[in-house]
Amino acid sequence: GNSVTQMEGPVTLSEEAFLTINCTYTATGYPSLFWYVQYPGEGLQLLLKATKADDKGSNKGFEATYRKETTSFHLEKGSVQVSDSAVYFCALRLRETSGSRLTFGEGTQLTVNP
Amino acid sequence: EPEVTQTPSHQVTQMGQEVILRCVPISNHLYFYWYRQILGQKVEFLVSFYNNEISEKSEIFDDQFSVERPDGSNFTLKIRSTKLEDSAMYFCASSLGQGPGELFFGEGSRLTVL
Repeated sequence: GNSVTQMEGPVTLSEEAFLTINCTYTATGYPSLFWYVQYPGEGLQLLLKATKADDKGSNKGFEATYRKETTSFHLEKGSVQVSDSAVYFCALRLRETSGSRLTFGEGTQLTVNP
Repeated sequence: EPEVTQTPSHQVTQMGQEVILRCVPISNHLYFYWYRQILGQKVEFLVSFYNNEISEKSEIFDDQFSVERPDGSNFTLKIRSTKLEDSAMYFCASSLGQGPGELFFGEGSRLTVL
């Protein structure tokens, strides 16, 4: 089956620290990969995506590269801010199926302290 | 910016009662979804809906669940006879197509079953 595994949280960092949140996946087909973010009191928002191997998604200083050889899509940011405190979800979506369901990871709570 | 809205934000109900969660998707979107997240667990797909019928559902979406688009704007999830294990955050989402594009999520409705 299809699944997504994220690094265990919560993660606590100081402002301007380097962030990595690991994400690996298992998929029967050729997935598109996503990172969603949920800020306190808000819904899930798309942060970035990559639709094929070696694509790099980027947004708001965050980056993730689709690595087919390691089945990974790790999220990175060079210098986090307090406003980045949120829950981050890695997800995949298969392109071959007629449906379009997302399969999510467990979510990683990030807290950035000033 | 268009957004998906959900009501209520929080509902408390007694076991065995019927619950209806409401969603207003983005107006030109064609695909509609419900996901849920039990506290501390992954976000899980429940059902997708297109052209006034269910296009895909998960094993969680059993006979006690139903979805409906009663008019041109609302998309509802009904739980016929709630159980304790239905306590979760329920997220509605919509998308324009079913390619690898993004789903837009609402803020969620928290259901607590006592």
